[in-house]
Amino acid sequence: AQSVAQPEDQVNVAEGNPLTVKCTYSVSGNPYLFWYVQYPNRGLQFLLKYITGDNLVKGSYGFEAEFNKSQTSFHLKKPSALVSDSALYFCAALDQAGTALIFGKGTTLSVSS
Amino acid sequence: GAVVSQHPSWVICKSGTSVKIECRSLDFQATTMFWYRQFPKQSLMLMATSNEGSKATYEQGVEKDKFLINHASLTLSTLTVTSAHPEDSSFYICSAMTGLSTDTQYFGPGTRLTVL
Repeated sequence: AQSVAQPEDQVNVAEGNPLTVKCTYSVSGNPYLFWYVQYPNRGLQFLLKYITGDNLVKGSYGFEAEFNKSQTSFHLKKPSALVSDSALYFCAALDQAGTALIFGKGTTLSVSS
Repeated sequence: GAVVSQHPSWVICKSGTSVKIECRSLDFQATTMFWYRQFPKQSLMLMATSNEGSKATYEQGVEKDKFLINHASLTLSTLTVTSAHPEDSSFYICSAMTGLSTDTQYFGPGTRLTVL
């Protein structure tokens, strides 16, 4: 079965420090991977995606993600966290049919000042 | 670009009534739209996929007679929760896929439904 795992329910980091939000996947074929961010009572905002090409993908708001095929991971990173980055982050993958998104359970990022 | 809106953003209704939620792609034509349901502090659960002009495809366990989906145009999809009950209270989010990019979904802001 295809799945996306986010092993951490919550990540806490101090403002200015680097942050990593972990994601691993299990999908058939070449993975199409995404990161979305959700602020309270809001929909999801697209951050970045990996389809093919460079393993390091750069996205919105200074975020980037590193695709690692051998580890089946797609961790989200940012060199210097901001308090405003505090939100719920979802990793997702397209299913085998290439239409439906399979979401991880989400990771709450809390950045303290 | 790729902006998706939902209306209303918040709705409260009495048990037994029906509620319609609209999802619009504002600056692109959406060949495919999706409806998700999200419970507090949980992930999104796909309810159904709709393509313009055809019947929606519902995920297993989703009652198609209860959650009516209409995708009448390339910019509008509606979800009608019929005979709503308190257990239908949830956050409903739609997303849309452009015809140009068949992998990225753009999400609406969500609609919070509270059934009394």
